[in-house]
Amino acid sequence: DIQMTQSPSSLSASVGDRVTISCRASQSIGNYLNWYQQKPGKAPRLLIFGTSSLEGGLPSRFSGSGAGTDFTLTINSLQPEDLAIYYCQQSYSTPFTFGPGTKVDLK
Amino acid sequence: QIQLVQSGGEMKRPGASVKVSCKASGYSFIDYGVTWVRQAPGQGLEWMGWISNYNGKTYYAQKLQGRVNMTTDKSTSTAYMELRRLRSDDTAVYFCAKRADDIWGAFDLWGQGTVVTVSS
Repeated sequence: DIQMTQSPSSLSASVGDRVTISCRASQSIGNYLNWYQQKPGKAPRLLIFGTSSLEGGLPSRFSGSGAGTDFTLTINSLQPEDLAIYYCQQSYSTPFTFGPGTKVDLK
Repeated sequence: QIQLVQSGGEMKRPGASVKVSCKASGYSFIDYGVTWVRQAPGQGLEWMGWISNYNGKTYYAQKLQGRVNMTTDKSTSTAYMELRRLRSDDTAVYFCAKRADDIWGAFDLWGQGTVVTVSS
């Protein structure tokens, strides 16, 4: 199975900050990497698919990059509504594993 | 309105079974697969498996093999996930999600979640 790791596990940032979250796969997954946002008590929501494609209707301050085993989610100019847990997930092969999540809160 | 609506919360005894439903609306159900993901209290997301509506094939997480069964009813646009021989560590919120039909196969639409509590 492909293992996914994320760093950091949590971070505190101020409104307007640039935030970066890293995700690493235990083997190459090409660009089969997706990012989800989950707010407390809610279902996850797809943010980025295929490493860098932004899901429709979402603000352009979210972006993704990377390839192979190393990936990054960037939030430019953090907004209060971005406070959530962010998960990466590989869709290269089953089981479609998730990373452990990165909690983003306000400093 | 495109959405997935799941059945209500369940409380079960250890050893029992639970069947969660997920009704799709607003899109062509038969053209997309359905995946199931669960989240134990305070924990991260765990992929359980998915079912292809194209050929009916199922793919399950190894740890759930033999206890889980995913099906769909195309006539009612409803997906089902049954988990048998429940244990206390099956207590979780269970989510269904639509799988995109592009090459990336991300989960682009989620149900609201169903709380399953297993307790004696």
